[in-house]
Parts: sequence; structure tokens; C-alpha cells
Amino acid sequence: AQSVTQPDIHITVSEGASLELRCNYSYGATPYLFWYVQSPGQGLQLLLKYFSGDTLVQGIKGFEAEFKRSQSSFNLRKPSVHWSDAAEYFCAVGGGDDKIIFGKGTRLHILP
Amino acid sequence: IAGITQAPTSQILAAGRRMTLRCTQDMRHNAMYWYRQDLGLGLRLIHYSNTAGTTGKGEVPDGYSVSRANTDDFPLTLASAVPSQTSVYFCASSAHDRSHEQYFGPGTRLTVT
Repeated sequence: AQSVTQPDIHITVSEGASLELRCNYSYGATPYLFWYVQSPGQGLQLLLKYFSGDTLVQGIKGFEAEFKRSQSSFNLRKPSVHWSDAAEYFCAVGGGDDKIIFGKGTRLHILP
Repeated sequence: IAGITQAPTSQILAAGRRMTLRCTQDMRHNAMYWYRQDLGLGLRLIHYSNTAGTTGKGEVPDGYSVSRANTDDFPLTLASAVPSQTSVYFCASSAHDRSHEQYFGPGTRLTVT
């Protein structure tokens, strides 16, 4: 069965520091992988997605993620966070149908 | 460009009452979805529709029903609301292609008292 695990419920980093949010998935075939961001009181916005090809994908707002099949991971990174990056981040996995499974989310806090 | 609209933005509802949450998209997407978001549980799929005229059950369908009479609209109905249905509800849509990218509405915050 498909599943997504985001091990960290909360992450706190200082503004300007680097960021890595972890995501592990379980899926029987090659998955489609996504990262979404949700600002307070808002809906979800797609940051980036992986379907095939280059395992390092670039997204909006300076984010990137790397697909590592051997580790079943799709971690999200950003070299230098800004206060406006404070939000909740969701990793998601999908497959042959249109349904996707979301992780429980990681809330990112930024220290000034 | 509107994308996906949801109504109402928020609602307080007495237990036992019937309520329909509205969702409309203008992207001509085939697939539409309803999720509920609860603290610590992330997003859980309630119902989905791959195309107009068809619907399917998601992870937590009990107490909810949907219909898909046309491409643009996908209403979610709570026939007799209960306090455990207090949540934030998100509608989403996606094109029926390999992109799988889902576009989300702004959400409806529902409180059942």
C-alpha cells in the first residue's frame, strides 16, 4: 500500500540557514512525488514534482528535492530560508491513478 | 483566472443539520477531490471523481456524499452533521493526464456544534 512518512512534525531553523525536510515513501512501482506548501489559512500550493528523469528537481521559491530510490526518500531542501518560508510542508506520493497520498506534514518555524 | 472556488469560507453548523459544501473549477479538469484536514492527521481523501458522472470513495467517506453532474462542480454533502466532522475541507482538481498535479481551493472551515 502507498504511504508517506514525514518524520518531523516541527522544524525550527534560523533565517538564512539551510533547510532539509525529510520524506520517505512506500510504493510498489515508480512513484510520482510531490511537495506542497500551505501558508496559514490558505490552500496547498505545489512546490515541485518528480515523475522521471533527473533525480534532482527544482521548484518554485528556491526549493529543490532529490529522489533517492535506494532510500525511498524525496527530501526537500533550500540553501537559505527566508522568514516568509514559515509554513506547513506536505510530501505526497501518487501512481497510475490520479489519487495521491499525503504525509501528515512538517511545520517549519523560522527564527529571526 | 479563478482556478477553484469553494463556498462558504466558514460555517458553524448544529449537529444533525444537513450541509452542502460547494466547489467549482474553471480549468476543465476531469478529476476532482474532497479532502479534510485535521491537526496531526494531514489531508485525508473523502471522495473523488475521475470524470463527470462518476464518483469514488476515498479513505474517510462515511457521513459524506458527493455528486458530479458536470465537469465544473463537485459538491460535498453532510446529510446529518456530527461534531467529529468539524474540520477544514479542501476541494482539489487535476487534469486526467500523467502530471497528477492537483490544484487546491482555499478551503472551508466547518464547525459542528
